[in-house]
Amino acid sequence: NAGVTQTPKFRVLKTGQSMTLLCAQDMNHEYMYWYRQDPGMGLRLIHYSVGEGTTAKGEVPDGYNVSRLKKQNFLLGLESAAPSQTSVYFCASSQRPHRGNTEAFFGQGTRLTVV
Amino acid sequence: DQQVKQNSPSLSVQEGRISILNCDYTNSMFDYFLWYKKYPAEGPTFLISISSIKDKNEDGRFTVFLNKSAKHLSLHIVPSQPGDSAVYFCAASEYQFTSGTYKYIFGTGTRLKVLA
Repeated sequence: NAGVTQTPKFRVLKTGQSMTLLCAQDMNHEYMYWYRQDPGMGLRLIHYSVGEGTTAKGEVPDGYNVSRLKKQNFLLGLESAAPSQTSVYFCASSQRPHRGNTEAFFGQGTRLTVV
Repeated sequence: DQQVKQNSPSLSVQEGRISILNCDYTNSMFDYFLWYKKYPAEGPTFLISISSIKDKNEDGRFTVFLNKSAKHLSLHIVPSQPGDSAVYFCAASEYQFTSGTYKYIFGTGTRLKVLA
């Protein structure tokens, strides 16, 4: 079972460059999420999607855009990368939460460095 | 302003002993609390959860205790095994009436090392 797959696993960008992180899930989940993990900050929600064609802002959306053109894919874009976006990015998916303890399934992460 | 706090960045425990990981929160509207476990170079995986109306939930070697009056929860691992060495994240959920979805707030994590 592939679960949640993120591409790429590592990337180094120069300031001002753009890139897209791809997340794919094969569990037919309605909900998908993008988080970033920084030292001393925990996991913070960037954007999320409650279904194909929908997206919504999370806690820290500035500097990022997302798209959910297909149910199984959730793309995170950085239009003009900044050093402050150096982080580890995690994608996750879940069934539609009917209760607050709905399990989220995470990808293995993408380590992005902006120099 | 962190609503979910894990004040111990790391913890070392001998194999076979009890590991206790702590988590404090400030928002009384949280309805569930979840624990995720993360190995290096992998994403977090769900471990156990507890409803805010319960004070204990047990699953094998893992038990979550919730003290609502103190806004504190803890994860107990008994007995601890070397394979339990990982980063443990506490998370809390709150229903968002405006969007009809749940918001999840994660703590900063505690790195557990179980010594053989």
